[in-house]
Amino acid sequence: EAAVTQSPRNKVAVTGGKVTLSCNQTNNHNNMYWYRQDTGHGLRLIHYSYGAGSTEKGDIPDGYKASRPSQENFSLILELATPSQTSVYFCASGDWGGDYAEQFFGPGTRLTVL
Amino acid sequence: AQSVTQPDARVTVSEGASLQLRCKYSYSGTPYLFWYVQYPRQGLQLLLKYYSGDPVVQGVNGFEAEFSKSNSSFHLRKASVHWSDSAVYFCVLSARNSAGNKLTFGIGTRVLVRP
Repeated sequence: EAAVTQSPRNKVAVTGGKVTLSCNQTNNHNNMYWYRQDTGHGLRLIHYSYGAGSTEKGDIPDGYKASRPSQENFSLILELATPSQTSVYFCASGDWGGDYAEQFFGPGTRLTVL
Repeated sequence: AQSVTQPDARVTVSEGASLQLRCKYSYSGTPYLFWYVQYPRQGLQLLLKYYSGDPVVQGVNGFEAEFSKSNSSFHLRKASVHWSDSAVYFCVLSARNSAGNKLTFGIGTRVLVRP
């Protein structure tokens, strides 16, 4: 069964509205990540977390908040959604240490902000 | 800072033909390197990874990649492609000892396999 799941899979929001994207992992990994995917950019890191209660800014954090209430769950929050945040969002989990650095990705959430 | 360049945005090949996808990286040390594949409307799946040792690494579904420190490259190859190999392929770098193990992605190469 899928080890990283995301909900919702598709979301249409209005400009100025609040959007919460949820991610759950059963890998028991310490680190979790939120990326967005846009044509011509690959995936870009928004926020990440080392464990429950921690959140760190990634490369493009403006306009986003994150929350890690437990080992398994990591949310991405858009307090005031804008059309420029229309994108596909991916959650990932991974541990890191020694010769181990891969991340495992969820199926993605397609967000459209009108 | 590190970067990954995939010079080919799109590649079209015939079924049964060989495939090579190019990847060049910029990083001062020896990185961890990955190739991920994204099938339509799906998440990313790991194809193969290079951490150290033998520069040729084998992955799933007949894919292999060769690391070259002198050329700063990590090219992906497959001897004979199948229509199901149509997907987007990402070359990805992780800087050793980076905070949070942040990954740096190339922009991806879209592969179309013609029947």
